[in-house]
Amino acid sequence: KNQVEQSPQSLIILEGKNCTLQCNYTVSPFSNLRWYKQDTGRGPVSLTIMTFSENTKSNGRYTATLDADTKQSSLHITASQLSDSASYICVVSPSGGSYIPTFGRGTSLIVHP
Amino acid sequence: SQTIHQWPATLVQPVGSPLSLECTVEGTSNPNLYWYRQAAGRGLQLLFYSVGIGQISSEVPQNLSASRPQDRQFILSSKKLLLSDSGFYLCAWSAESVLEQYFGPGTRLTVT
Repeated sequence: KNQVEQSPQSLIILEGKNCTLQCNYTVSPFSNLRWYKQDTGRGPVSLTIMTFSENTKSNGRYTATLDADTKQSSLHITASQLSDSASYICVVSPSGGSYIPTFGRGTSLIVHP
Repeated sequence: SQTIHQWPATLVQPVGSPLSLECTVEGTSNPNLYWYRQAAGRGLQLLFYSVGIGQISSEVPQNLSASRPQDRQFILSSKKLLLSDSGFYLCAWSAESVLEQYFGPGTRLTVT
């Protein structure tokens, strides 16, 4: 069964600090992995997307890494800001013609001043 | 550029009443369309997806149904709402050959 596990479930950090969120998956065959940011009461917004051949992708202060061998990904946030407070969702899509991605439950990040 | 619309933004409905949520996409043709539900503190649950007009696949048995009357219109319906139907409903689209998904703003449904 395809699964995506994220950790930690929640995280509280001080403004200006860095943090790293983890994502482990069992989706096979693998097509791509995406990280989304979801503000409370809003739809998710894409941060990064990585295919099998990519092991890192940056979007401003967000840097995602992918190890397709161990089926692990991380999202590193640098110099956190109050606006980074949100849920971060890892999503993995299979290849082979399936249209159904598998979503993680998300990590809730709170940035305190 | 492509945009996705959902309405209404919030909805409060009594148990047993009907439901109709609408999603439309602009700026693309023949998109794959999806309906998700997100319960409080939970991940996104895929309810329905569609790869073309009149083609609907259901992922979980439930009290809801979906229809795609036009290429860029996706409707989520129910004849009689249950309390358990409360949640945050998200519509999403992806291009036919690309699995990147783009989400709408969502509808917050409260069944009382």
